[in-house]
Amino acid sequence: NAGVMQNPRHLVRRRGQEARLRCSPMKGHSHVYWYRQLPEEGLKFMVYLQKENIIDESGMPKERFSAEFPKEGPSILRIQQVVRGDSAAYFCASSNRAGVQETQYFGPGTRLLVL
Amino acid sequence: SQKIEQNSEALNIQEGKTATLTCNYTNYSPAYLQWYRQDPGRGPVFLLLIRENEKEKRKERLKVTFDTTLKQSLFHITASQPADSATYLCALAANYGQNFVFGPGTRLSVLP
Repeated sequence: NAGVMQNPRHLVRRRGQEARLRCSPMKGHSHVYWYRQLPEEGLKFMVYLQKENIIDESGMPKERFSAEFPKEGPSILRIQQVVRGDSAAYFCASSNRAGVQETQYFGPGTRLLVL
Repeated sequence: SQKIEQNSEALNIQEGKTATLTCNYTNYSPAYLQWYRQDPGRGPVFLLLIRENEKEKRKERLKVTFDTTLKQSLFHITASQPADSATYLCALAANYGQNFVFGPGTRLSVLP
């Protein structure tokens, strides 16, 4: 049973370009979470999605960031017009049920570098 | 505002000793508290979850305590090994919430 997969593992973008980060949850998991980790800082929650629905986007910046989890295919975190401050590691996690008592399984992360 | 602190950014201990990591929080009433391990360049790995009505939880060489009066959780690794060297994160969640708030982590180094 493959774990959570994220691609690409490393992504380099120039300021103003778009970044698309993909996350395939564990088989059978329908709940996906996205986190951002800045250097020397803790993980910050961004968004929680179930299939085709955004459940909680309270941690998502209001502009330039969007997320989706379509019926088919991976979850996508999209960052438009990237700026240097977007450079960070982006992790997704998945669980098979809702609720904070459920274990979240994390992917290896995508490291975004904005030049 | 809510704040989570973890003891000293880095902790060095001798192999075989017990490592004790601290997670303190303010302005928060979590119902669940989790501990994760994160190795460099990798995603966090879940270790233990403890509920607010549980005082202590154990798993092999790991022990977690949760004191809601002191607003503190202690994470112990007994008979520590160099392979235990990693960053350890605590994470808190309220009963109604859908997401965890993570602490900054403590980088543990177990010296042979």
